[in-house]
Amino acid sequence: QQPVQSPQAVILREGEDAVINCSSSKALYSVHWYRQKHGEAPVFLMILLKGGEQKGHEKISASFNEKKQQSSLYLTASQLSYSGTYFCGTDFRMNRDDKIIFGKGTRLHILP
Amino acid sequence: DGGITQSPKYLFRKEGQNVTLSCEQNLNHDAMYWYRQDPGQGLRLIYYSQIVNDFQKGDIAEGYSVSREKKESFPLTVTSAQKNPTAFYLCASTLIGGAKQPQHFGDGTRLSIL
Repeated sequence: QQPVQSPQAVILREGEDAVINCSSSKALYSVHWYRQKHGEAPVFLMILLKGGEQKGHEKISASFNEKKQQSSLYLTASQLSYSGTYFCGTDFRMNRDDKIIFGKGTRLHILP
Repeated sequence: DGGITQSPKYLFRKEGQNVTLSCEQNLNHDAMYWYRQDPGQGLRLIYYSQIVNDFQKGDIAEGYSVSREKKESFPLTVTSAQKNPTAFYLCASTLIGGAKQPQHFGDGTRLSIL
């Protein structure tokens, strides 16, 4: 049930773009995105609900493709502060438990 | 300011010992969660609670126990039955209807074996 994130890790130079994918083998109701700095708590970025909407947060945006059961996180013109591990969390709404299942994360390192 | 407080920040456990991790929130959130984080494994759900005096097992509940006697508090006990307790433990909370609501996390407790 755990969503699969790709790539596992990516290294970019400041100003470059990145895409992180989150795929599920089951139909999704919602997808959450979080960023975690080393040794700190994860920080909420955005939630996308079933319906294929796209959301944005400064230069970070995400899409939700219901048919492909996949969400993608887009980081545009990356900044040094974007470094960290990105997690997606998925909700299958199987039994309305209100829990989400997190992927293993994608490590992003931005070089100056 | 509202938030989630986890304590202690660092904790050491001796063989055969039970230890309890504290999680308190003043966000008036209904649901609370405990996650375990190991390198490369992401966040794995241990237990969660949507209402006082009720809780459900997550994916890796063996060797752990919880209680939810108050809305604000959700302590986690790591029992001696948990043979590999070394990990970073995160507590989170959300409004009920959590699939549409962001999870708010505490700063975590790092548990190690002596």
